[in-house]
Amino acid sequence: NAGVTQTPKFQVLKTGQSMTLQCAQDMNHEYMSWYRQDPGMGLRLIHYSVGAGITDQGEVPNGYNVSRSTTEDFPLRLLSAAPSQTSVYFCASRVAGASYEQYFGPGTRLTVT
Amino acid sequence: GQQLNQSPQSMFIQEGEDVSMNCTSSSIFNTWLWYKQDPGEGPVLLIALYKAGELTSNGRLTAQFGITRKDSFLNISASIPSDVGIYFCAGQLNTPLVFGKGTRLSVIA
Repeated sequence: NAGVTQTPKFQVLKTGQSMTLQCAQDMNHEYMSWYRQDPGMGLRLIHYSVGAGITDQGEVPNGYNVSRSTTEDFPLRLLSAAPSQTSVYFCASRVAGASYEQYFGPGTRLTVT
Repeated sequence: GQQLNQSPQSMFIQEGEDVSMNCTSSSIFNTWLWYKQDPGEGPVLLIALYKAGELTSNGRLTAQFGITRKDSFLNISASIPSDVGIYFCAGQLNTPLVFGKGTRLSVIA
């Protein structure tokens, strides 16, 4: 199993550009989520999904869209990038149910100029 | 919303020393998790705790779920250079996981 994979590893955008951060998992996990990590702020939840076709907002959803058309994939879209979205983005997944043990991808480092 | 206070924010220790860090909350949790993040990598799960009072070990790591369900601690015994990184606690109760801001550990050889 590859676990949780993310692409790209690094990305530089200009203000106003759009892009999609890809996340895939091969563990058949129902639950997937996106976090951003900023210095001194820890991990903050952007959006999450409890299964295909179901998504919900986390703590900091503004400026981001998600969809979940398959169990395996959970892309994060930035429609109009802003410098405040410069951050490291992590995707995570886990099985639904009583175990809350999340597994993280390697991250995407995004810079918006 | 729920918040976790993780302390200390950072610590510098000598190789071979024991380390202790903790996480507290004003809310109760049903689950406490401890993660470690190496530079440039995603967090990796170290220990999961599901019961108040539970004490769990993973090699040189030991974590406990506080009796009040509002705190947890992580101990590392006989630290080594590869223990360097950021340690995160996370708690959960009927909502997505809430993460602390992390403890940055530096080990001096």
